[in-house]
Amino acid sequence: QVQLVQSGAEVKKPGASVKVSCKASGYTFTSYYMHWVRQAPGQGLEWMGIINPSDGSTNYAQKLQGRVTMTRDTSTSTVYMELSSLRSEDTAVYYCARDDSSGYYGYWGQGTLVTVSS
Amino acid sequence: DIQMTQSPSSLSASVGDRVTITCQASQDIDNYLNWYQQKPGKAPKLLIYDASNLETGVPSRFSGSGSGTDFTFTISSLQPEDIATYYCQQYDNLPPTFGGGTKVEIK
Repeated sequence: QVQLVQSGAEVKKPGASVKVSCKASGYTFTSYYMHWVRQAPGQGLEWMGIINPSDGSTNYAQKLQGRVTMTRDTSTSTVYMELSSLRSEDTAVYYCARDDSSGYYGYWGQGTLVTVSS
Repeated sequence: DIQMTQSPSSLSASVGDRVTITCQASQDIDNYLNWYQQKPGKAPKLLIYDASNLETGVPSRFSGSGSGTDFTFTISSLQPEDIATYYCQQYDNLPPTFGGGTKVEIK
């Protein structure tokens, strides 16, 4: 069965970076794009970007350009999302979500809470 | 970016009631509209894709309709387990954008 398993919660200081992983299993890793979506406490869903696991190409949300980097490791079927220059507004639960071909997310990771606090 | 206006932001209904949520896109998105259910502390769950297609395993009391700019999500008979926040999402073009969410509670 398809599973997306994310890394554990992180606490970071302002200005630091965080790298969240999402390990995929149960399907052909390179056949489906992966998105990252975040949700600040009590808020809605915000799209962060997309990565093509086949060739590593990416497209990022404009507001995060320059701070976010998405990568993948095909040998371990894992995608990564790194966010730098963290600020308090980046405190959120970060999700990876598989794009099931029509831009809908049929499978999600369990979420990773990133807390940015001094 | 395409803006998605979802309403209401919250509603309270009785078990067995018909519940309707609307989502309006700021421009024509054809039928590239999806609906998700999110329960507290959990990841969103896909219910409806491409405006009206029921995801496998989702109860038939959930349905969606619409195309272009105006979309509707319906729960035909509200059940206690349907207490959640519901989000619409467009994917006509990047970036994908979500509605603000509708929190559904039991009266």
